[in-house]
Parts: sequence; structure tokens; C-alpha cells
Amino acid sequence: RKEVEQDPGPFNVPEGATVAFNCTYSNSASQSFFWYRQDCRKEPKLLMSVYSSGNEDGRFTAQLNRASQYISLLIRDSKLSDSATYLCVVNEADSSYKLIFGSGTRLLVRP
Amino acid sequence: EPEVTQTPSHQVTQMGQEVILRCVPISNHLYFYWYRQILGQKVEFLVSFYNNEISEKSEIFDDQFSVERPDGSNFTLKIRSTKLEDSAMYFCASEPGLEDIYTQYFGPGTRLTVL
Repeated sequence: RKEVEQDPGPFNVPEGATVAFNCTYSNSASQSFFWYRQDCRKEPKLLMSVYSSGNEDGRFTAQLNRASQYISLLIRDSKLSDSATYLCVVNEADSSYKLIFGSGTRLLVRP
Repeated sequence: EPEVTQTPSHQVTQMGQEVILRCVPISNHLYFYWYRQILGQKVEFLVSFYNNEISEKSEIFDDQFSVERPDGSNFTLKIRSTKLEDSAMYFCASEPGLEDIYTQYFGPGTRLTVL
């Protein structure tokens, strides 16, 4: 069973659109949750941490549902520069705090 | 803004050769990691390092791999005898280990090509 599962996309949306990505994780003991962004052949860059109460950073809103083991990311007013792969990432807070990555959801924002 | 750096950006080697990938984590960070990403696949954990010793390693991190923090600033990944399937992007990451304990910051990666 996949540890962190995401729809690979691509999501192809016009500029200004609102787009939502979902992710599920298998380990109920997971402690911390993140969305990272990865551009082609570049390193993952932290977009935002995800908290149970939900959190917002500008046009980005993240939600966590621990009961359903479900994480979401909402992007409002999409920009061309939002085109990237969005990685759902979970930290199981075991002995090493290693990150477990989903395969990513690709977003293409068109003019 | 401090950042993780990695060298070289691209390494080409022959199968069976040894390679050393270098990383300089963010100063004062306490936890260090290596991950790899085979082209078209997801990022995978290799090894974590804390207090000058490995705290966890994945199944990928076999006897051909080793890590070192030789001088308190560099953090290296050595592959003793490279295989074709070692071709991938290798990312180093570091983590403060304080109030921001779970946030890892990634370097730009080294692309390893094994011929």
C-alpha cells in the first residue's frame, strides 16, 4: 500500500482559476504534514506546513483531516508561476524524522 | 537567507567507480539527510544523521553507501562501487532541530549519471 498517495494529474487550468489537490496517507501515527513544490529537475521547496486547524498563506490554503488521513491544498487565483509539481509530504516522527513523499501532482497554469 | 549547498551539480561516472557527493548544510542545523529521486519517480529517503551518527537508513542504503560529517560543516555521501541504477538526483537536506524541528530544507541536488 502506498504510504502517501496523490493524483498525478496533470491539472491544466487557466490563469485565475482555483484548483485543489488532495492527498491521503497510510500511517495514522504520522505527526507532521507539508506541501512542497518542485519545479522540473529542481529540489523540493517547502510551500507550507499543514496544521489540523487549517492554515492559509496568501493564495494557498492547506487543510488536514487526521480522522480521514487526508490532506488538501487549495490554490486561488492561479498564476503562470504556480506551474510546478506539488508534493504531499508526511513526517512520521519516528527515530529519524524522515520525510515520506507522495509522487506529486503536476499543475499547468495556462494564459 | 542561509541555504543548503551541494557539489557537484552534475557527476558522470563509470559503473564500478566510487563517487563522493558533498553537501554543506545550513549552519547550526542539527539533523541531516540524504534523499534521492530517480527520474520520473518520487523522492525517497536514504539516510538520516544526527550527533555524528546514522539515526536511520532505508533499504536502499546498503553497504555500498556511507555518510560522513568530517569537519563539522561538510556532509558527504559516498557510493563505493556505483551501479547503473544509482543514476538519480541526490538531495541533501538539513533541519534545525529546535522549535522548527520538522521542517527540512533541501539543497539543489547533485545529478549522478552512471554509465
